[in-house]
Amino acid sequence: ILNVEQSPQSLHVQEGDSTNFTCSFPSSNFYALHWYRWETAKSPEALFVMTLNGDEKKKGRISATLNTKEGYSYLYIKGSQPEDSATYLCAYRDNYGQNFVFGPGTRLSVLP
Amino acid sequence: DARVTQTPRDKVTEMGQEVTMRCQPILGHNTVFWYRQTMMQGLELLAYFRNRAPLDDSGMPKDRFSAEMPDATLATLKIQPSEPRDSAVYFCASGWEGGYNEQFFGPGTRLTVL
Repeated sequence: ILNVEQSPQSLHVQEGDSTNFTCSFPSSNFYALHWYRWETAKSPEALFVMTLNGDEKKKGRISATLNTKEGYSYLYIKGSQPEDSATYLCAYRDNYGQNFVFGPGTRLSVLP
Repeated sequence: DARVTQTPRDKVTEMGQEVTMRCQPILGHNTVFWYRQTMMQGLELLAYFRNRAPLDDSGMPKDRFSAEMPDATLATLKIQPSEPRDSAVYFCASGWEGGYNEQFFGPGTRLTVL
């Protein structure tokens, strides 16, 4: 059973604060790590697909890093805005599996 | 603007009734996923198809759930008979296997079984 964990479970920050959270996954047989943003009452939307150790991806104020050797990825949000409030999901895929394993998500609330 | 579509968006039914949810994947995508959103488990994978063939349905209760892809433009998830514990939002997602399978999610079907 593939175990994908995310921390913290939830996070409250003030507008303008920068924040980060973690996705942990098995370090063996890595294939890809996906980040999704899931707003309440909407569908998950893809943010990044990360495949190589040391990858860094950036989209506006959001960026992510990947360490496949130790099995973690960080998602950073610089200067959080209320519209960043959402649940951030990571999904892991290994070389053997045919499917994705989603983490439980980090719920971010940005207070104005 | 290519999108995954799902119908119906909302479904209220009585226990014991059959429920069929439909999904139209993005044209050209060759993988389709069915997920259930639950309070405890977040996104729970129910079924996964590649090139219309079922690859993994281990997360699906076999006695009452079934998933099919009658053609490349339609995926169905059926519950028969439905039970109150099946109440949830069901998401369909499609992707392209060659592109690390980044998934594009549909709007979901909110199912309520009374």
